[in-house]
Amino acid sequence: EPEVTQTPSHQVTQMGQEVILRCVPISNHLYFYWYRQILGQKVEFLVSFYNNEISEKSEIFDDQFSVERPDGSNFTLKIRSTKLEDSAMYFCASTMEGLLGGNTIYFGEGSWLTVV
Amino acid sequence: AQSVTQPDIHITVSEGASLELRCNYSYGATPYLFWYVQSPGQGLQLLLKYFSGDTLVQGIKGFEAEFKRSQSSFNLRKPSVHWSDAAEYFCAVGSNDYKLSFGAGTTVTVRA
Repeated sequence: EPEVTQTPSHQVTQMGQEVILRCVPISNHLYFYWYRQILGQKVEFLVSFYNNEISEKSEIFDDQFSVERPDGSNFTLKIRSTKLEDSAMYFCASTMEGLLGGNTIYFGEGSWLTVV
Repeated sequence: AQSVTQPDIHITVSEGASLELRCNYSYGATPYLFWYVQSPGQGLQLLLKYFSGDTLVQGIKGFEAEFKRSQSSFNLRKPSVHWSDAAEYFCAVGSNDYKLSFGAGTTVTVRA
């Protein structure tokens, strides 16, 4: 079965440092997403990306966050200046078409970010 | 705005017993409903989804869920649990093309 792959699986960074989390969505998918899960809390939507632009973002996704699809395969999440509260598991996801088309959203295994 | 409530934070069941996980949603239109499972250290795996049609949905690993519009519920069931079903289970609702809203999750412990 095709899968979404994420790197790194775990990263420890110092507060104030920039972090880039990388994702390779499923190859024929068109919609891409980032979600995060702070330890012990629910999975939260961060941002969706379609047609090379952000289609929706949550209030969490402030100016410290950015996303990019630098080439035909990668989808990245950048946190410019990390804060302690950014420590979380970050999930990348993709769908072939939008959710309302009955499509399944496939999640990667996550990148665990620890900010110290 | 849509929201999902999973009333049970933690459920313990014996291996071989039945399991039911509750999910209630709040959404004004026809919801698109999902159940995901997360094993320790793993990502989110889709168990099943409901978009329309038959309100009883079959999923992977022997799970099923029933959509009840009158109760705004989408409860997940399994007739006989296996030790490997120990995990965290998330109910989610999709309201547009771009976003899923997740419940807080229910942790399932299976005792021998």
